[in-house]
Amino acid sequence: KQEVTQIPAALSVPEGENLVLNCSFTDSAIYNLQWFRQDPGKGLTSLLLIQSSQREQTSGRLNASLDKSSGRSTLYIAASQPGDSATYLCAVILNKLVFGAGTILRVKS
Amino acid sequence: EAQVTQNPRYLITVTGKKLTVTCSQNMNHEYMSWYRQDPGLGLRQIYYSMNVEVTDKGDVPEGYKVSRKEKRNFPLILESPSPNQTSLYFCASRPSQANYGYTFGSGTRLTVV
Repeated sequence: KQEVTQIPAALSVPEGENLVLNCSFTDSAIYNLQWFRQDPGKGLTSLLLIQSSQREQTSGRLNASLDKSSGRSTLYIAASQPGDSATYLCAVILNKLVFGAGTILRVKS
Repeated sequence: EAQVTQNPRYLITVTGKKLTVTCSQNMNHEYMSWYRQDPGLGLRQIYYSMNVEVTDKGDVPEGYKVSRKEKRNFPLILESPSPNQTSLYFCASRPSQANYGYTFGSGTRLTVV
């Protein structure tokens, strides 16, 4: 059974800092991996999709990497801003999405 | 704008009163699914549909029904809601090809009293 773990569970950083969120999964037989952002009580916004054949994807200040052999993905956020404060979820894509529990990020101004 | 639309956004109901949460997508996606999100339990799949008239159970299907009569719509039906179905519900869709990611709706917060 695929299990997805996200570390840390919560993170508080000062504005401007670069940070890394970690995601690990137990079974490397995945199609793709998708990172989402969720604001309190709101929906999920897709940030980045990494296909299983790719090693990384970039969008603006965000960069996500994927290492299937080790069962790991990281989301790198450069020059963090208070508006980045949210919960970040990673999900592996099989015939469904399997989510991690998320990392709650707070960026202090 | 490409989107998944859920209605209603908020709903308070009483135990046993049948309700339907609607989900519609305008991207011609074959695959649609429902998730519920609960504190400490994360997001769990309720039902999914690979295409019209094809539905299957997810991880937590008890107490729910779905139908897929049209490609764009995938309603979630609670025949007899109970308080343990109080949750935040999300509908999601994607193309049939596994290389594409998922698009989520804005969520429906359901409270059953």
